[in-house]
Amino acid sequence: EIVLTQSPGTLSLSPGERATLSCRASQSVSSRYLAWYQQKPGQAPRLLIYGASNRATGIPDRFSGSGSGTDFTLTISRLEPEDFAVYFCQQYGSSSYSFGQGTKVDIK
Amino acid sequence: QVQLQQWGAGLLKPSETLSLSCAVYGGSFSGYYWSWIRQPPGKGLEWIGEINHSGSTNYNPSLKSRVTISVDTSKKQFYLRMSSVTAADTAVYHCARGNFLEKGSAFDMWGQGTMVTVSS
Repeated sequence: EIVLTQSPGTLSLSPGERATLSCRASQSVSSRYLAWYQQKPGQAPRLLIYGASNRATGIPDRFSGSGSGTDFTLTISRLEPEDFAVYFCQQYGSSSYSFGQGTKVDIK
Repeated sequence: QVQLQQWGAGLLKPSETLSLSCAVYGGSFSGYYWSWIRQPPGKGLEWIGEINHSGSTNYNPSLKSRVTISVDTSKKQFYLRMSSVTAADTAVYHCARGNFLEKGSAFDMWGQGTMVTVSS
């Protein structure tokens, strides 16, 4: 099973600042099968990025994804008030999926 | 506009069987994989398993012995059964669509979630 480790656990930033979230895999992941989600309290996760770098429908261009192999990054270029949430990475491999434990982005 | 609507019992006793249903509205059912994913309170996400329209399944190895996912294509519904539940199975359970064709393995549509509590 591929384990995804996200860092940091919590990121405290102010609106307008840049957020950089990391997702590291225990073994190589195909970029095609790496996704990022945003989750707010009481809501289902929302797909942000698929295929490591492709924005999902309706996702603002301040969200971007990058990386390959075992290291992937989600960047939010300028935080808006609605971006303060928990972010998860997810991978697919060998007919199974796993998620990272999440990074909480909160207001400083 | 695709929507996933889910329902099922929210309070179970230890050793009982969890049973949830998920209906797909407004879109195609075939051509996708349909998954169940759970999230214990305050914790991360755990994939439970998936099924496609023809009934082909994949399960999380850690849950496989207790989980059955089935499908009724005529109703555009799929189902989760998990036997012998314990307090560790207390979680919000989501149904979700896996979109391999367009979005790799990403889950691009989600149900609203059902809180399932296991308590004696």
